[in-house]
Amino acid sequence: GIQVEQSPPDLILQEGANSTLRCNFSDSVNNLQWFHQNPWGQLINLFYIPSGTKQNGRLSATTVATERYSLLYVSSSQTTDSGVYFCAVRPFIIQGAQKLVFGQGTRLTINP
Amino acid sequence: KAGVTQTPRYLIKTRGQQVTLSCSPISGHRSVSWYQQTPGQGLQFLFEYFSETQRNKGNFPGRFSGRQFSNSRSEMNVSTLELGDSALYLCASSSLAGSTGELFFGEGSRLTVL
Repeated sequence: GIQVEQSPPDLILQEGANSTLRCNFSDSVNNLQWFHQNPWGQLINLFYIPSGTKQNGRLSATTVATERYSLLYVSSSQTTDSGVYFCAVRPFIIQGAQKLVFGQGTRLTINP
Repeated sequence: KAGVTQTPRYLIKTRGQQVTLSCSPISGHRSVSWYQQTPGQGLQFLFEYFSETQRNKGNFPGRFSGRQFSNSRSEMNVSTLELGDSALYLCASSSLAGSTGELFFGEGSRLTVL
């Protein structure tokens, strides 16, 4: 099946720093989403981005589907940005199914 | 607009028991899918329902089952619980069937098996 790799696995930064999280996937995808998992376990939607670039405040994301990767940018980091960020893709070959395949996540720690 | 609601949020069971978890999707959403999250395996797909029909199933034993009701609410059941079933169970809903559509997740049900 499709493989989703996120890098780096861990990232520790000071408040105010910028960061780039990467998601590589091994096959064509119909869809890609970025999530932030809060301390209580809920997955918070950040971006629904099968291709192109989107921005939402200090966060932005770019997906280059033809090259099978996506990037999540966090600018001017705040301590509230800490947590685990997941990339999830929906394989193109599985038509008619809402199955998401998740990466292992990037744990971002922002120190004050 | 209310989000995806999962109940119960926390529960503790013992080996051999069974458990039923409930998920109410966002109003108007007809697709519901379930995921298991463990420290060792990460987030894994369990199954997906649309219009009361199971459309896809992940690689889990038959002890894991689910269903969807006519109002799109879904339940999943785990029978003969094992220690390894301890996990966060997440439900997601989507307005679209098929391979497009954004998924929205609930807060999860955290199951501990003793």
